[in-house]
Amino acid sequence: AQTVTQSQPEMSVQEAETVTLSCTYDTSESDYYLFWYKQPPSRQMILVIRQEAYKQQNATENRFSVNFQKAAKSFSLKISDSQLGDAAMYFCAWGANSKLTFGKGITLSVRP
Amino acid sequence: DAMVIQNPRYQVTQFGKPVTLSCSQTLNHNVMYWYQQKSSQAPKLLFHYYDKDFNNEADTPDNFQSRRPNTSFCFLDIRSPGLGDAAMYLCATSRDPGRLNTEAFFGQGTRLTVV
Repeated sequence: AQTVTQSQPEMSVQEAETVTLSCTYDTSESDYYLFWYKQPPSRQMILVIRQEAYKQQNATENRFSVNFQKAAKSFSLKISDSQLGDAAMYFCAWGANSKLTFGKGITLSVRP
Repeated sequence: DAMVIQNPRYQVTQFGKPVTLSCSQTLNHNVMYWYQQKSSQAPKLLFHYYDKDFNNEADTPDNFQSRRPNTSFCFLDIRSPGLGDAAMYLCATSRDPGRLNTEAFFGQGTRLTVV
């Protein structure tokens, strides 16, 4: 079975600065996706960024980028130029075989 | 435009009284999921439908059932809710060719309270 670990329950960042959220996972599958999802308070979960495991190049989406280390089974999210609207719960997730396995999530607060 | 819609947003039910949560989608996705999310915990997959094929997670209690009458709708039935079943229930969909998950789209969730 696969597991996803997010060891930091909370983080805080100053507006306009950069923050990195950590995630590690364990799987025996060779083909899979990794995701970061954002869940704002009382709002639905939305996809932030996605990484295919077979791609070595790290995914980027505007201010969001990942550091994917397949051998180390590490998948961190970097948020650059943090904005107040980035404050939310962030979940790392692993996907394959029609399943998504989530980590416990990290609450990110952004200080003005 | 809402793509995955869950009704109701908030549901209060009595201990032991059957309750049904509903989910509909306008995305025509072939996979639909039900997750249980308790406070400060990871969403936990209860089961999913791949088209009409029902896939139950090994540790999902028998108290939880699901129905998918057509592509657009999926229901979560809790036959005898206990206090421990109070949680946020998330419905999600994905288009999943070849069973390699690409992205899931979530509804806003239904917050279930058991009294």
